[in-house]
Amino acid sequence: EVQLVESGGDLVQPGGSLRLSCAASGFTFSDYYMDWVRQAPGKGLEWVGRIKNKANSYTTEYAASVKGRFTISRDDSKNSLFLQMSSLKIEDTAVYYCVRVFLGGFLGDPWGQGTLVTVSS
Amino acid sequence: DIVMTQSPDSLAVSLGERATINCKSSQSVLYSSNNKNYLTWYQQKPGQPPKLLVYWASTRESGVPDRFSGSGSGTDFTLTISSLQAEDVAVYYCQQYYNTPHTFGQGTKLEIK
Repeated sequence: EVQLVESGGDLVQPGGSLRLSCAASGFTFSDYYMDWVRQAPGKGLEWVGRIKNKANSYTTEYAASVKGRFTISRDDSKNSLFLQMSSLKIEDTAVYYCVRVFLGGFLGDPWGQGTLVTVSS
Repeated sequence: DIVMTQSPDSLAVSLGERATINCKSSQSVLYSSNNKNYLTWYQQKPGQPPKLLVYWASTRESGVPDRFSGSGSGTDFTLTISSLQAEDVAVYYCQQYYNTPHTFGQGTKLEIK
């Protein structure tokens, strides 16, 4: 059974840092591109960024709203995805989902339950 | 960036009736080399993560009921629920994966009339 379990969400002050993790199981993690998507409370979905697989040099891409502040990485030996967030802003408050990218580039099921990041003083 | 605009923002439909949600992209998401539209539809029920319904604009994901169908090409797309069931109450999102950032529409909230 494919599973994605996000963790690491917390309450953090503006300007602070946080590292999210995503534990993957039930599929060959190293083969897949992986995305982070976020959803602010009561709002819509926002694509955060992507990391490609080893065959594609672990290339990363980011939304303009997080570029330079967030870094996506992965550890294929541990089937884990990470999102390092720094210089956090109040508007980064959201549930963060890690999502598997299917061949063709679209986000595939299942999504994890997400982890909540709250940026507040 | 490609801007995705859904209409309407909310929709109330009677059980058993047809529901239609529209999605318009600010530029074409049709890739000419393979004639595929890089457009997906997701369903998000309250308190749950999104669920993939349709990809390539019209290919239904495995396990999705056949009352859900996607259509359209280029910049104009539609998600149709042919006969609304109570369990279809949700927010529906379109997303383009033609280029980054992979932008979502703002969502359409579907309710029972």
